[in-house]
Amino acid sequence: RKEVEQDPGPFNVPEGATVAFNCTYSNSASQSFFWYRQDCRKEPKLLMSVYSSGNEDGRFTAQLNRASQYISLLIRDSKLSDSATYLCVVKGWDTDKLIFGTGTRLQVFP
Amino acid sequence: DTEVTQTPKHLVMGMTNKKSLKCEQHMGHRAMYWYKQKAKKPPELMFVYSYEKLSINESVPSRFSPECPNSSLLNLHLHALQPEDSALYLCASSQKTSGGPQETQYFGPGTRLLVL
Repeated sequence: RKEVEQDPGPFNVPEGATVAFNCTYSNSASQSFFWYRQDCRKEPKLLMSVYSSGNEDGRFTAQLNRASQYISLLIRDSKLSDSATYLCVVKGWDTDKLIFGTGTRLQVFP
Repeated sequence: DTEVTQTPKHLVMGMTNKKSLKCEQHMGHRAMYWYKQKAKKPPELMFVYSYEKLSINESVPSRFSPECPNSSLLNLHLHALQPEDSALYLCASSQKTSGGPQETQYFGPGTRLLVL
């Protein structure tokens, strides 16, 4: 079983749609959680950290469920510019190593 | 400013060449990382430097040799590479290494390497 699992997609959604991505992780000792966004042939960029209480940044909402070892990202009112690959990333407490999911591809169409 | 810079942007080299990739950050970060990324795959960690000392080597072949001359610079020396080493090489940095729950890593734009 992979340490971090994501549905690879692609998710093809129209502009204005709401889309949700899920991610599960296998190591219950994981302590830090992130969503990164990566455009084609570019570097990953931090979208948001994920906190236990859940957090929101504009149209983006992230949730963490430690009991189920599950992280989610909700994008509301999708824009064409949201088209990218979304990487779920997990980090343990006493390690420098980030564990990446394989990414979920989002394509927003007009 | 969360900028990590990398040079060169693109590199083509033969299997007998020696080249170096460079990475720089001026955010005062004390941890720096090298990743390798193949197309349609997530980044794979290669090396971690913490306070200018190598703390993680993910069993990377010796034809890749990292160096951290100071807290702002990270190099990756390449020698006798194979065509399968062609990939995007990403550098990242973070404020400090493990011990805190939110050690966000910031990535540079990468060097796209082609080995012929």
